[in-house]
Amino acid sequence: DADVTQTPRNRITKTGKRIMLECSQTKGHDRMYWYRQDPGLGLRLIYYSFDVKDINKGEISDGYSVSRQAQAKFSLSLESAIPNQTALYFCATATGTEQYFGPGTRLTVT
Amino acid sequence: KQEVTQIPAALSVPEGENLVLNCSFTDSAIYNLQWFRQDPGKGLTSLLLIQSSQREQTSGRLNASLDKSSGRSTLYIAASQPGDSATYLCAVEFTSGTYKYIFGTGTRLKVLA
Repeated sequence: DADVTQTPRNRITKTGKRIMLECSQTKGHDRMYWYRQDPGLGLRLIYYSFDVKDINKGEISDGYSVSRQAQAKFSLSLESAIPNQTALYFCATATGTEQYFGPGTRLTVT
Repeated sequence: KQEVTQIPAALSVPEGENLVLNCSFTDSAIYNLQWFRQDPGKGLTSLLLIQSSQREQTSGRLNASLDKSSGRSTLYIAASQPGDSATYLCAVEFTSGTYKYIFGTGTRLKVLA
């Protein structure tokens, strides 16, 4: 089984809908991250968490919220989805200095 | 503002060629630099991690070097193969942003058979 899993893998939703992307890890890492990837812009950090009680905003947190339900679970929510949130979303974990990525969720907002 | 830049954005080479991918960063105060490979529509696979105290790391046909003073890292791929075709990304952890990683926009590599 993969160490970092993301669900769903693909999602199409309509403008204004609330949507949650989930991430689970079996690596036992304390640090977890959410990124979005857009063509030509690389990966940009949305939120990150150092443990269950420590949540931090990244460079593009507006329009997003997160929940760290347990050490192994970190969820990203779009409260009211808009078309420019269409992107590939990645969850990652880290220990020490190395990052490990999930397979990504492709989200389309119509 | 701390930035990571990768040039060129795209590269096409014939099979068997040795090649170098570049990653530049604006601040020499870093903890580490990590190189990733990404296949189309897929996740990121870690290739090499270089700590700030290291000058290079090697794995198989891959060699990554780090020159903090000039703000540069290079990823050298020896004897390229069509299976090396992918996007290569570098990510830097700056000391002023502990545990936060800044990514370059990547170099899209195509190795022609």
